[in-house]
Amino acid sequence: EAGVAQSPRYKIIEKRQSVAFWCNPISGHATLYWYQQILGQGPKLLIQFQNNGVVDDSQLPKDRFSAERLKGVDSTLKIQPAKLEDSAVYLCASSSFGGGENIQYFGAGTRLSVL
Amino acid sequence: QKEVEQNSGPLSVPEGAIASLNCTYSDRVSQSFFWYRQYSGKSPELIMSIYSNGDKEDGRFTAQLNKASQYVSLLIRDSQPSDSATYLCAVNSYNAGNMLTFGGGTRLMVKP
Repeated sequence: EAGVAQSPRYKIIEKRQSVAFWCNPISGHATLYWYQQILGQGPKLLIQFQNNGVVDDSQLPKDRFSAERLKGVDSTLKIQPAKLEDSAVYLCASSSFGGGENIQYFGAGTRLSVL
Repeated sequence: QKEVEQNSGPLSVPEGAIASLNCTYSDRVSQSFFWYRQYSGKSPELIMSIYSNGDKEDGRFTAQLNKASQYVSLLIRDSQPSDSATYLCAVNSYNAGNMLTFGGGTRLMVKP
């Protein structure tokens, strides 16, 4: 079974530029998450999708971050414009719907450096 | 705000010893608990989940949950240098849309 796929693996941009990350969840997983992990910290949830609907985006900085999951499968996370403090690893995770366990499987992440 | 607290470490143990990692959480309605291992530069991988009070064993790993004290721990027996990693505690509440809240992680170093 293929895992969660993310691209790109690394991205270096200058502040005020825009960037986009892509995620393909495990086949059949209805729930998709985007996390931000700053060096030395635990992952922080940015947004959670259930199929193509948003369940929670309370910690998403909506003035600069946006995310979509148009067909309930792949998802993109965009930052525009980027700030220095956005330097982090962006992790995508997925889990199957309705399971009381909510076991989340993570992709390899995208390491973003904002200069 | 729901919080999950972990000692950042590093926790240093000799090879073959028992490593004990601890986690406390603030949300009393939390219902499921997870331990993830994260090697440097890698993504988190699930190693244990626990839902009921008491102990749950899986190989060299034992998770312990005490909901009254809002405390969950992970014991690693016969620690190996390959266990050296950051261990993340994560807490889930069904009332919160099945969201996971992660602690900051404890860095474990197992010395040969």
